[in-house]
Amino acid sequence: DTAVSQTPKYLVTQMGNDKSIKCEQNLGHDTMYWYKQDSKKFLKIMFSYNNKELIINETVPNRFSPKSPDKAHLNLHINSLELGDSAVYFCASSQDPGLVPRGVENTEAFFGQGTRLTVV
Amino acid sequence: KQEVTQIPAALSVPEGENLVLNCSFTDSAIYNLQWFRQDPGKGLTSLLLIQSSQREQTSGRLNASLDKSSGRSTLYIAASQPGDSATYLCAVRTNYGQNFVFGPGTRLSVLP
Repeated sequence: DTAVSQTPKYLVTQMGNDKSIKCEQNLGHDTMYWYKQDSKKFLKIMFSYNNKELIINETVPNRFSPKSPDKAHLNLHINSLELGDSAVYFCASSQDPGLVPRGVENTEAFFGQGTRLTVV
Repeated sequence: KQEVTQIPAALSVPEGENLVLNCSFTDSAIYNLQWFRQDPGKGLTSLLLIQSSQREQTSGRLNASLDKSSGRSTLYIAASQPGDSATYLCAVRTNYGQNFVFGPGTRLSVLP
């Protein structure tokens, strides 16, 4: 079973369109993330959700809106797509260190396979 | 603000060599550090997780060490194989942060 799964794997769309990327984790984690990997392969945090609540919102345009219907899902909706949005988007999950019982330190992060978004 | 760097940016070695990849971070107040592997066009595969209270972790031919005070971690790969060719990323989780800060990666090529 895939721990963190994203769909679609590839997404090619025209400028100005609205698109969504879905992410699901079956690890029982309470924290989920969206990362963007640019053309130079650098990974940067975009959003972090803990138990469906937004924790981190880095400097990301308002056109990007994450939605977490439950703690196992964190979807990314992008409005009015621009050429510069072309990148690989990774979803990840982990257990929040603050919620891990003492003596249990398994806060390892698991990543999805990525969604390669190409805006033309 | 936590910054993570990795040296070298790229490394090419013949099969069978032992090698060391380096990761440095600016803020020593970390919760843990995780090493990942990324194959071209693929996602990230977790290799080793070191908690801030640990000094090293081992998995098979991989050994990762952590020196918090100097802000450094190394990933040691023994008896390298062509299948080890990939980009290796280190990521630091800070005590105050809710996310992982990644280094730029080291692109490793192991030649048969």
